Amino acid sequence: NAGVMQNPRHLVRRRGQEARLRCSPMKGHSHVYWYRQLPEEGLKFMVYLQKENIIDESGMPKERFSAEFPKEGPSILRIQQVVRGDSAAYFCASSRDRINEQFFGPGTRLTVL
Amino acid sequence: GQQLNQSPQSMFIQEGEDVSMNCTSSSIFNTWLWYKQDPGEGPVLLIALYKAGELTSNGRLTAQFGITRKDSFLNISASIPSDVGIYFCAGQGAGGTSYGKLTFGQGTILTVHP
Repeated sequence: NAGVMQNPRHLVRRRGQEARLRCSPMKGHSHVYWYRQLPEEGLKFMVYLQKENIIDESGMPKERFSAEFPKEGPSILRIQQVVRGDSAAYFCASSRDRINEQFFGPGTRLTVL
Repeated sequence: GQQLNQSPQSMFIQEGEDVSMNCTSSSIFNTWLWYKQDPGEGPVLLIALYKAGELTSNGRLTAQFGITRKDSFLNISASIPSDVGIYFCAGQGAGGTSYGKLTFGQGTILTVHP
């Protein structure tokens, strides 16, 4: 049973470019969460999605960031016009429902030059 | 918003020693989770706690959900070198906008000397 898959594992972008991070949840999981981790810090919640719906985006910056979880295919976290401060590790987690434990993927390390 | 205070920030111990770390919150949580993160990897779930007062073990790990629902601790007995890593507590809220999302502690960096 495959775990949460994320790709790419590493992504380098220049300032102003777009970054697309993908997450495939565990089989049987329809709830997806995105978290951001800055160096030497804990994880910070960004957004919670259930198939085709955004449930909670209270942790996501209002501008440049968007997330989706379409009926078919992986969840996508999109960062437009990246800036150096966006450099971080972005983790996706999935769960069977909203009160069950969340399992994390290996993360995407974004570096903005 | 909700905040978790995790302590200690770091620990340096000898192989074979027991370890204890804890998290406290100003808010009530419905669920407490403990994760371990190795460098360059995602957090791996160690223990999940769902009821106030619950005490759960997973091998050499023991965790408890505090009676007040505002704290939790994790104990590791007879530490071994592969216990090295960063340990995070995480709480899941009691409803409303807190449903689903996890609030994480700052992490405890564990170093085990052989």
